[in-house]
Formats: sequence, structure tokens, C-alpha cells
Amino acid sequence: GAGVSQSPSNKVTEKGKDVELRCDPISGHTALYWYRQSLGQGLEFLIYFQGNSAPDKSGLPSDRFSAERTGGSVSTLTIQRTQQEDSAVYLCASSWDITYNEQFFGPGTRLTVL
Amino acid sequence: QKEVEQDPGPLSVPEGAIVSLNCTYSNSAFQYFMWYRQYSRKGPELLMYTYSSGNKEDGRFTAQVDKSSKYISLFIRDSQPSDSATYLCAMRNAGNMLTFGGGTRLMVKP
Repeated sequence: GAGVSQSPSNKVTEKGKDVELRCDPISGHTALYWYRQSLGQGLEFLIYFQGNSAPDKSGLPSDRFSAERTGGSVSTLTIQRTQQEDSAVYLCASSWDITYNEQFFGPGTRLTVL
Repeated sequence: QKEVEQDPGPLSVPEGAIVSLNCTYSNSAFQYFMWYRQYSRKGPELLMYTYSSGNKEDGRFTAQVDKSSKYISLFIRDSQPSDSATYLCAMRNAGNMLTFGGGTRLMVKP
């Protein structure tokens, strides 16, 4: 079956531009997570969605970051007015629900802000 | 200080060696302990998970948790070049979120 997919795989943008990153979770998974991984660093939690509940946005680093999940499936992470420090790999993961230890990760979107 | 500490490496070993990867943590409420493996330019994948203290074995891999010392380990026996990857520990409490270590890069040389 299909795993978690993310698009684009690579994105190069100029400082100050807005970007949208897309995540398609595994069908049937109610929980969806966004992480950021900077070069040589671990995973930094950004936000998660569980079913129809309000998302946990506690990890978003600034109000330039936002995310939505439509119809309990596809999610979009938006970064407004990008800065060079936003350059990182953005990983999406999904799981059956928030209590499961196994999260299935997508391949990530590598964002470079010039 | 981070909640979960992990030596970034890189750790370079010859093929066939026993590898020991470790994490320390500060939150005594953590109950579930996991190891994820991440190949270059791929997302992490779950390798093993354990609940509470003790050992768990799966093929060449053994996960060990010592809650009294707040220390977890992953041992890889008869390491192979295909084991070359970054290994991330992760843990969570009865709440919902995983907390990841920074990852240790492992290189197994033929």
C-alpha cells in the first residue's frame, strides 16, 4: 500500500516569499504530524492533528507558520515571509491515532531559502 | 538542557562489530521508548519500541531501558554496511507526543 507522500521533494525560494508544503498521509490514519529537521539535528515537533480535534500548535516557532488539514486527510504546512533560518527538511508523519508509538514518515521536503 | 540527549557521532565501526547506541533523558514520566532508523534523504522508520525497563530483542537488535538511570541503549550485533544510517531515540509519556533525540550517525565499513 502507499506510504506517506510529500510534495514537493525540494523547494528553493527567496527570502520573504511564502511556501506551501503538502502531505498525503496513509489512508485511515487519523493522526498527522509535522516535524522540522535541520542539518545534523533531530526532529523538532511543529504541529499535530488528531481526527477532527483542534490541532496542537505548540511547536510552531512563529506566527509565520501555519498548517491545515482538510477533510481529515491531506495537510498543508504554510510558511509566510520565509527566512534563511527556515531552511531545513520538513517531515510529515501519520499514525492510526495519537496514542500509537509507530509514526510512518514521508520522505520530507527539503526547503532552501536563499 | 534538552529532555533527550544523544551523541551525534559519527560512529564508525568495521563490519561484524557490535554497536552500542545510547540516549539519556531527564523526564522521569517517559514510559515508552523507541528507536527509529533514518537512511540518508529518507524519513525515519520505527525499528523497535519498549515499554518500561528491561530488554527486548529482535534479530540482531536489542533495545535496553534502565529507567532508574534514565538511560536507553540499542545494540546491533554482527553489524552490516546496510546498517549505516542515523539512529534516533524517541520517547513519550502517557501524553501524546514523541520527544526525539538528535540522532547518532552510524557508519559500518566493509
